[in-house]
Amino acid sequence: KQEVTQIPAALSVPEGENLVLNCSFTDSAIYNLQWFRQDPGKGLTSLLLIQSSQREQTSGRLNASLDKSSGRSTLYIAASQPGDSATYLCAVSSTGGTYKYIFGTGTRLKVLA
Amino acid sequence: EAQVTQNPRYLITVTGKKLTVTCSQNMNHEYMSWYRQDPGLGLRQIYYSMNVEVTDKGDVPEGYKVSRKEKRNFPLILESPSPNQTSLYFCASSSPQGTQYFGPGTRLLVL
Repeated sequence: KQEVTQIPAALSVPEGENLVLNCSFTDSAIYNLQWFRQDPGKGLTSLLLIQSSQREQTSGRLNASLDKSSGRSTLYIAASQPGDSATYLCAVSSTGGTYKYIFGTGTRLKVLA
Repeated sequence: EAQVTQNPRYLITVTGKKLTVTCSQNMNHEYMSWYRQDPGLGLRQIYYSMNVEVTDKGDVPEGYKVSRKEKRNFPLILESPSPNQTSLYFCASSSPQGTQYFGPGTRLLVL
């Protein structure tokens, strides 16, 4: 059964730092991996989607990588800002036509001004 | 504006009283899904639908029903709610490429 883990559970950094959030999964047979942002009391916003055939995706200050063989993905945030403070979640979808999604429990990020 | 809407946003009910949470998307997506989010457990998939009249169980389907009679709507039905179904519920739809778009959430309290 697919399991998704995100470490650390919480992270505080000063403004301007570059940081890396980690996501690991146990079954490499994935269809895609997606990173989300969730603000308190709000829904999830998709940040980056990486298909299983891709190695990375970039959007602005965000870069996500995928290494299926090792079951890992990282989300790199460059030059962090207080507005980046949120919970970041990764989710993997399975192959085999089921398209079930398994989420990690998230990393709560606080960027200090 | 492309969006997923859910209603109601907040709901307090009593054990055993049937309720329905509606979900609608205006992006013509075929794939829709329901999740619940609980502290310490994260988001768990309840049911998903690949297309009209096609639904399948996620990881925590017990106590829930869904229907998909139209592409845009995917209601979640709790026939006999229990306190352990108190949670934050999210509906989502997915583009053909796999990007998921989430609704704003429905906070449910079952007394």
